[in-house]
Amino acid sequence: AQTIHQWPVAEIKAVGSPLSLGCTIKGKSSPNLYWYWQATGGTLQQLFYSITVGQVESVVQLNLSASRPKDDQFILSTEKLLLSHSGFYLCAWSGQGASAETLYFGSGTRLTVL
Amino acid sequence: GDQVEQSPSALSLHEGTGSALRCNFTTTMRAVQWFRKNSRGSLINLFYLASGTKENGRLKSAFDSKERYSTLHIRDAQLEDSGTYFCAAATGGYKVVFGSGTRLLVSP
Repeated sequence: AQTIHQWPVAEIKAVGSPLSLGCTIKGKSSPNLYWYWQATGGTLQQLFYSITVGQVESVVQLNLSASRPKDDQFILSTEKLLLSHSGFYLCAWSGQGASAETLYFGSGTRLTVL
Repeated sequence: GDQVEQSPSALSLHEGTGSALRCNFTTTMRAVQWFRKNSRGSLINLFYLASGTKENGRLKSAFDSKERYSTLHIRDAQLEDSGTYFCAAATGGYKVVFGSGTRLLVSP
């Protein structure tokens, strides 16, 4: 069975500080990977997707970056946090093929920027 | 622009009754997925449809890509069905767009 693990569970960070959120998928070879973000009271927005190691596509520009250093790992980061980065971050995976595949989500990271 | 319009934004049901949630799309979507938000904020899969209808227990979903909508029907609602439900549509090219959610409250 496939499992998806996100870390950390929650973070409280200062404006201007760096951030790194991680996501690991086990039990699935070559998954498509996604980062989503939801501001408090907002709609879930797709930030990035990756269909293979080393390749990441940006969907929404939020002064964040993503990397896929290994087949089963997806990292979301920034060198300087903004207040507007606060919210709930979700990592997801799907099987190979086009976007018409079932998404499976991790448990999320709640980020508070002060 | 907004591609998924989900309604209603909030819904109150008495136990044992039923209703439908709906998502309208501004463009043709390849597939739709319905989720329920759990207590921690993550999303639990309910249905994935590329076309037609699917049923699971007291839930039934339909997707019509030509008419650009999807529905989620809940029948015989139970207290534990309370929560927030989302639709998400695959636009193509690995992009998936979410609706704004429906907050369902089931009361005795």
